Amino acid sequence: AQSVAQPEDQVNVAEGNPLTVKCTYSVSGNPYLFWYVQYPNRGLQFLLKYITGDNLVKGSYGFEAEFNKSQTSFHLKKPSALVSDSALYFCAVRDRPGGYNKLIFGAGTRLAVHP
Amino acid sequence: DTGVSQDPRHKITKRGQNVTFRCDPISEHNRLYWYRQTLGQGPEFLTYFQNEAQLEKSRLLSDRFSAERPKGSFSTLEIQRTEQGDSAMYLCASSLMDSGNTIYFGEGSWLTVV
Repeated sequence: AQSVAQPEDQVNVAEGNPLTVKCTYSVSGNPYLFWYVQYPNRGLQFLLKYITGDNLVKGSYGFEAEFNKSQTSFHLKKPSALVSDSALYFCAVRDRPGGYNKLIFGAGTRLAVHP
Repeated sequence: DTGVSQDPRHKITKRGQNVTFRCDPISEHNRLYWYRQTLGQGPEFLTYFQNEAQLEKSRLLSDRFSAERPKGSFSTLEIQRTEQGDSAMYLCASSLMDSGNTIYFGEGSWLTVV
């Protein structure tokens, strides 16, 4: 079965510093990978996805993610963190390649950016 | 494109009562999903529609839960005889059919069972 793991419950970063939120995946076949962000009491907002092509994917709000097949990782990055980036971040993988694109989510990582 | 709309945003109900949530997907999106999210957890898949056909149901979806999507447009999720363990946020999402397409989520419907 497809799955993703987010090994860190929380990541703390100072404003202006680069940030990384980690995600590793386990899939059979080629992965379709996604990142979403969730602000308090809100739904999930799409940030970016990897389907095929360049390993470095650029998304919304200055975020990017690097697909690494050998390490089965899809880490989310941003060169310079903002306090407003503080939120809950979810990595997800599409279930059943070639079939329905139901998403399987990780447990989430809380990002705290300090002024 | 007004996004995925969910109603109500918040519902407080007494244990044993029935509740119904409505979801209006992005227009022309033929796939619709329901997820459940409890505090501190990632969203868990409940069920999925392609047009009006319900094609997959999670084992999380007990017989007290039923979802419909008449005419392939809006969807409803009904929970009968609510239990305190049903307290969660219920998220609706939609997408186009192609498997690489993004799934867009609504703002969610919070359910509190007292």
